[in-house]
Amino acid sequence: GESVGLHLPTLSVQEGDNSIINCAYSNSASDYFIWYKQESGKGPQFIIDIRSNMDKRQGQRVTVLLNKTVKHLSLQIAATQPGDSAVYFCAEKPYTGGFKTIFGAGTRLFVKA
Amino acid sequence: EAEVAQSPRYKITEKSQAVAFWCDPISGHATLYWYRQILGQGPELLVQFQDESVVDDSQLPKDRFSAERLKGVDSTLKIQPAELGDSAMYLCASSIGGRHGYTFGSGTRLTVV
Repeated sequence: GESVGLHLPTLSVQEGDNSIINCAYSNSASDYFIWYKQESGKGPQFIIDIRSNMDKRQGQRVTVLLNKTVKHLSLQIAATQPGDSAVYFCAEKPYTGGFKTIFGAGTRLFVKA
Repeated sequence: EAEVAQSPRYKITEKSQAVAFWCDPISGHATLYWYRQILGQGPELLVQFQDESVVDDSQLPKDRFSAERLKGVDSTLKIQPAELGDSAMYLCASSIGGRHGYTFGSGTRLTVV
């Protein structure tokens, strides 16, 4: 069935280093992808999105890369800060099925001071 | 910054009791979603509204769950009777629709005892 999964459940990085969070998706019909950040006790927060006609999109300190050939999505965080500690979810929206967003299980990012 | 409001933040209820959650989306957002998030997992869609109409409730356990958005603005999700397995975070999100990310509320943490 459809699934959005993550390669690593946890990631620990040193403050100031770059973080890379990976995600694999299986639905080739997906044409829109989103990364969310969820801090403890809060709802997910939109970080950045990318459409399937792009392979890279940059935001403030974050970059999303999309490789449709291998159905892989990654989130890069530059100069990781303690405030970046959270669970990160990738999500996909297939262009069929009423625009339902499918979330992956999440990766927990720990930032060491 | 506009927010999605949810109440209550926390709810403890005994099994077989009824429980209800409320959500007020961002003004102007026609699309409203209820998600359930079990600890350690990504959110799973329960129901999606477009204005006052349900467009997807395929994952809603209709024998015990119900949702309404009578005037196309705020929404209520009800569980009756609650079961132990319903313990989770219930998240509401809204969107202007289509290929756009969601804004999530802070959620209601439900514990069924």
